[in-house]
Amino acid sequence: AQKITQTQPGMFVQEKEAVTLDCTYDTSDPSYGLFWYKQPSSGEMIFLIYQGSYDQQNATEGRYSLNFQKARKSANLVISASQLGDSAMYFCAMREWEAAGNKLTFGGGTRVLVKP
Amino acid sequence: NAGVTQTPKFQVLKTGQSMTLQCAQDMNHEYMSWYRQDPGMGLRLIHYSVGAGITDQGEVPNGYNVSRSTTEDFPLRLLSAAPSQTSVYFCASSYSAGGYKSSGANVLTFGAGSRLTVL
Repeated sequence: AQKITQTQPGMFVQEKEAVTLDCTYDTSDPSYGLFWYKQPSSGEMIFLIYQGSYDQQNATEGRYSLNFQKARKSANLVISASQLGDSAMYFCAMREWEAAGNKLTFGGGTRVLVKP
Repeated sequence: NAGVTQTPKFQVLKTGQSMTLQCAQDMNHEYMSWYRQDPGMGLRLIHYSVGAGITDQGEVPNGYNVSRSTTEDFPLRLLSAAPSQTSVYFCASSYSAGGYKSSGANVLTFGAGSRLTVL
């Protein structure tokens, strides 16, 4: 079974509007972390935001926020006030703390294209 | 700081050739790892290291070797390249591989990637 599922292969968003990228996960480990990374066309992986499984509040970092619904096992990324520079691939990833090492399992990604 | 540096950025190999992808970090990170990225599949873990002299296999280790003789360097070796190893390779590091951190202290920092084509 997929541990991380991103069901939206691609989406368009109008500049200045908000966009929500879906991510669902599957784990039996009570201690885990969820990460979102951005990959622009230049190819580098840029860390955006992190949510720990025991965190009581949803994580926020500037224009990025994470809608964490633990019971539903979802960790959707919300980008507010989209900018042209937000056009990129976005990856959701999970670390399970029962596993040795700082190993991330990635989803297949969502490509976002911001239209002017 | 340079962060995580990967070389080369691009490489073309013939089937059966060997090569080493270099990875160096200057952040005194304990943990280092290699991922490969294939189209439509996200990133998959090849090998990782929790400290100098300690390495272990990830999800897709076959055809790759690693070693960690220093904290800074974590090279990835392809002993006999195959077309199935055509991919983009990322090295990543973090301060530690330790226990659960609510602050996200184990966030991975990635290198810029190395695009490998095996003909």
